[in-house]
Amino acid sequence: KQEVTQIPAALSVPEGENLVLNCSFTDSAIYNLQWFRQDPGKGLTSLLLIQSSQREQTSGRLNASLDKSSGRSTLYIAASQPGDSATYLCAVFDSNYQLIWGAGTKLIIKP
Amino acid sequence: DVKVTQSSRYLVKRTGEKVFLECVQDMDHENMFWYRQDPGLGLRLIYFSYDVKMKEKGDIPEGYSVSREKKERFSLILESASTNQTSMYLCASSSVQGAREKLFFGSGTQLSVL
Repeated sequence: KQEVTQIPAALSVPEGENLVLNCSFTDSAIYNLQWFRQDPGKGLTSLLLIQSSQREQTSGRLNASLDKSSGRSTLYIAASQPGDSATYLCAVFDSNYQLIWGAGTKLIIKP
Repeated sequence: DVKVTQSSRYLVKRTGEKVFLECVQDMDHENMFWYRQDPGLGLRLIYFSYDVKMKEKGDIPEGYSVSREKKERFSLILESASTNQTSMYLCASSSVQGAREKLFFGSGTQLSVL
C-alpha cells in the first residue's frame, strides 16, 4: 500500500533563505506527483505536477524534483518571502489511480 | 483558469439535520471529488465521480452520499449530521485524462455540527 510522508511537519526560516521541502513515497509505481500549497482556512492550490517520466518541473522560484527509484521528491523554494508561508502538501497518483496524500509541511517565513 | 466554487465558506448545522454541500466547476471536467480535512489526519477522500450520475466510494463514505445530475455540479449530502462530521470539506475536479492532469480545488467549506 502506497504511503506518502512529509518531513518535517513544520519549518521556520528567515526571509531570503533558500529551502527544501521533502516528500517520500513507498511504492515507485506512480503516474505523477503533485505539490500543493494551502493557506490557513483555504482550499489547495496546485503548484507543480511532475509526470513519472520527468525528473523536475520549475515555476518561478519553485523547483520540484522527482527520483522514483529512491521514492523521493523535493520542493525547492528560492529566496523565500513571508508570502510563501503556508502548508505545502505533496500527493502521488499511484498505480491504482488513487491520489495518496502526505500530511503536509507547515512553512513559516520570518520577516 | 479553472474555477471550482463551493457554495458556502462557513456552515453551522445542528445534529440530525440534513446538510447539502454544493460544488460547481466551470471547465467541463469529468472527474470531481469530495474530501474532508481534519488536523492530524490530512485529506481523506469521501466520494468521487468520473461522469454524470456516476459515483464511487472513497476511503470514508459512511454517513455521506453524493449526487451528480449535471457534469458541472457535484453535491455532498450528510443525511443526518453528527458532531464527528465537523470538518473542512474540500471539492476538487480534474480532466478525464485522470492521472496526468492537475487537481483543482475549491476554497473549502468549514462545517460545524452542534
